Parts: sequence; C-alpha cells; structure tokens
Amino acid sequence: AQTVTQSQPEMSVQEAETVTLSCTYDTSESDYYLFWYKQPPSRQMILVIRQEAYKQQNATENRFSVNFQKAAKSFSLKISDSQLGDAAMYFCAYRTYNTDKLIFGTGTRLQVFP
Amino acid sequence: DTGVSQDPRHKITKRGQNVTFRCDPISEHNRLYWYRQTLGQGPEFLTYFQNEAQLEKSRLLSDRFSAERPKGSFSTLEIQRTEQGDSAMYLCASSPGNSPLHFGNGTRLTVT
Repeated sequence: AQTVTQSQPEMSVQEAETVTLSCTYDTSESDYYLFWYKQPPSRQMILVIRQEAYKQQNATENRFSVNFQKAAKSFSLKISDSQLGDAAMYFCAYRTYNTDKLIFGTGTRLQVFP
Repeated sequence: DTGVSQDPRHKITKRGQNVTFRCDPISEHNRLYWYRQTLGQGPEFLTYFQNEAQLEKSRLLSDRFSAERPKGSFSTLEIQRTEQGDSAMYLCASSPGNSPLHFGNGTRLTVT
C-alpha cells in the first residue's frame, strides 16, 4: 500500500528566510504524481506545486521549489523568501497515474515570524 | 470559475441524527471527490464520481454513509445515525480529469 510520511509536525521560519519541508513516500509504482498542498486557516486546500515522477527536473513555482529524489522516495518543498501569508498547514500528497485517489501525509504546520 | 462550493460550512448534530452535506463542483468538472479530515491528520479519501457514476468507495465509507451525484453536477453526502467518531471536516473536490484537484472550504461536522 502506498503511504506518505511527513516527519515534521511543526516548522517555523523568519520572514524572508528559506525553509524546507520534508516528505517521504512508499510505493511500488514507477509512474505517479506528487503534490504539495497548502491549507490556511480558511480551510481550503490550495495546490502549491506538482511533480510528475517521470520528470527528472524539479518543479518550481515562483518562491516554491521541490527536491524530488525518486530513488530515495523523497519529495521536499523549499519555500524561499518566506512571507507571513505562507503560514499554513502543508500537506504532501501522492497519486498514481491510473487512479484519482490522493493519499495525503499528516501535514506540517508552518509558522512564519516577522 | 466560482470554485467548489460546500454547504453548510458548519453542522452540529446530536448522536443518532442524520445529516446531509452538499457540494457544488466547478462547472464542467466531471470528477467529484469526497474526503474526510480529522484533527491533526491529512484528508482521507472517501469516494469519487465521474459524472453521475460512483467509481470508487473507500472502506472508510461504512453502510451509514451514502453519496450521490444524480445529474453529474452537484453531489450530496449523507451520514445516517451519526456517531461521535463521525466528527470531522468533510472536504469536496473536483477536477476535469487527470488534473490537480480543486477543493472546497469543507463542512465541519460536530456530533454531540
């Protein structure tokens, strides 16, 4: 069975600094997607970034980038130039190509201090 | 694109009562998903629809839970004979297929 593990329940970062959130996953599949979602206090899950497993190049979206290590089954999220609005729960999620079911980790609460 | 809409935002009910939640997906999204999120956990998959067909149900979805999407547009999730363990956030999401999910704001259920 596929699992997603986020080992950092909480992280904190100073405004304008960089922070990295960790995620590991377990799967026997070779083709899949990985995602990072953000859930602010407003509760709506918002897609931050997506990575296709067949792509070697790490995905980037403005201040957000990932370090995808397929062999190690690791998918970390780096947030550069952190802003107060980045404070939220961050969830790592996994999906195979042939199913629409997302499997989420337990989340990391990110606090941003001015 | 008005986003995924869920109603109600909060629901408090007594144990044993039935509750029904509604989800309106983004128009033209043919796939609709229900997830449940308990405190301190990530969302857990419950079920999903492609148009009006319910294609997959999680083992989490006991016989007391039923979901429908009668015309392939909005969906309802009903919980019969609610139990305290049903207290959670119920999230709905939609997608046009093989694309990232768009989530609603969720319905928070409290069973007293």
